[in-house]
Amino acid sequence: DQQVKQNSPSLSVQEGRISILNCDYTNSMFDYFLWYKKYPAEGPTFLISISSIKDKNEDGRFTVFLNKSAKHLSLHIVPSQPGDSAVYFCAASAKGTYKYIFGTGTRLKVLA
Amino acid sequence: EAGVTQFPSHSVIEKGQTVTLRCDPISGHDNLYWYRRVMGKEIKFLLHFVKESKQDESGMPNNRFLAERTGGTYSTLKVQPAELEDSGVYFCASSPGHSGNTIYFGEGSWLTVV
Repeated sequence: DQQVKQNSPSLSVQEGRISILNCDYTNSMFDYFLWYKKYPAEGPTFLISISSIKDKNEDGRFTVFLNKSAKHLSLHIVPSQPGDSAVYFCAASAKGTYKYIFGTGTRLKVLA
Repeated sequence: EAGVTQFPSHSVIEKGQTVTLRCDPISGHDNLYWYRRVMGKEIKFLLHFVKESKQDESGMPNNRFLAERTGGTYSTLKVQPAELEDSGVYFCASSPGHSGNTIYFGEGSWLTVV
């Protein structure tokens, strides 16, 4: 049972435009969410996080939105750059736990 | 400050052999995790240490996998005997004390069992 789902395996976006990556979860106990970026042959690199007490968190070109009622979060990258091309994973954990559940990832390709 | 380091970066072994993967967490991080990613799938949790104690090993696939963290510093993950389905990338991650923290990953150890 996949508790964290990234239903789009891939996404292509033109340089300078907005990239929107989506993530859905099923466990209502999840209260902390992370986004990671992964380049080939490297480990996942932390991008941005959001706690369930917020519905938005912004860091430079990256913004994460959380819709708790829909159990949905999204990562917005504006403007997209070719260096953003990577696989993006969302991850979630429940309060008081240390175990993060990851989605299957979305491969973003930013076209120059 | 050094990040999470893993060794070896790549390993090719025959079915039935033994492999030991090592992870050195970020200095001062009590929490250490092992994750695995099989080709194209999710990054799957294997287990979690707090210092030298196993807190959660619910993701360990079977008893062919043994993880240790002697002295609460580095950790090893041994696969014995290795099977074909054990191939994948094994990631180690660490985080500071309490829950709700970001976890930081190493580069991964790529294991191929032939």
